[in-house]
Amino acid sequence: AQTVTQSQPEMSVQEAETVTLSCTYDTSESDYYLFWYKQPPSRQMILVIRQEAYKQQNATENRFSVNFQKAAKSFSLKISDSQLGDAAMYFCAYNVSGGGADGLTFGKGTHLIIQP
Amino acid sequence: KAGVTQTPRYLIKTRGQQVTLSCSPISGHRSVSWYQQTPGQGLQFLFEYFSETQRNKGNFPGRFSGRQFSNSRSEMNVSTLELGDSALYLCASSLTGVPEAFFGQGTRLTVV
Repeated sequence: AQTVTQSQPEMSVQEAETVTLSCTYDTSESDYYLFWYKQPPSRQMILVIRQEAYKQQNATENRFSVNFQKAAKSFSLKISDSQLGDAAMYFCAYNVSGGGADGLTFGKGTHLIIQP
Repeated sequence: KAGVTQTPRYLIKTRGQQVTLSCSPISGHRSVSWYQQTPGQGLQFLFEYFSETQRNKGNFPGRFSGRQFSNSRSEMNVSTLELGDSALYLCASSLTGVPEAFFGQGTRLTVV
């Protein structure tokens, strides 16, 4: 069974600084998708960024980028120029087929605090 | 374009009762998945429906069931509620062939 591990229950960063959230996963599949989701106090899960395992290039979305290390099964999220609105729970997630068919496997989450 | 809509947002039920939660996916999305979120267990996959058929199911007892209608709207039902069923229930929809799942705001179920 696939597992996703987020080893940092909580992280704190000063506004405008850079922070990196860690995620490791375990799978025997060669093709899969990885995601970072953000869950603010409103509870709605918001997709931050996605990475296809077959792509060597790391995904980037504005201030958010990932460091995908397939051999190490590592998928970290870097947030640059942190803003107060980035404060939330961040979940790393894994899926084999994409499109939701097999369900997402989530890590336990990292609570990100932004210090003004 | 409207997002994923879940109703109701909050629900309080008594042990032993049953409950039905509703999810309307994004227009054009035919896949609907359900997740349970609790402080102890985190986010866990319940089941997924596509074209009115359950394609996959997580490790939950048979008290948890669901269905999908021809317009892709989905409902999940929990019978004989237990205190441990108190959770945030999240619904997500996906477009065929696209890996992203888009979530609703969830239904907060409290069992007393």
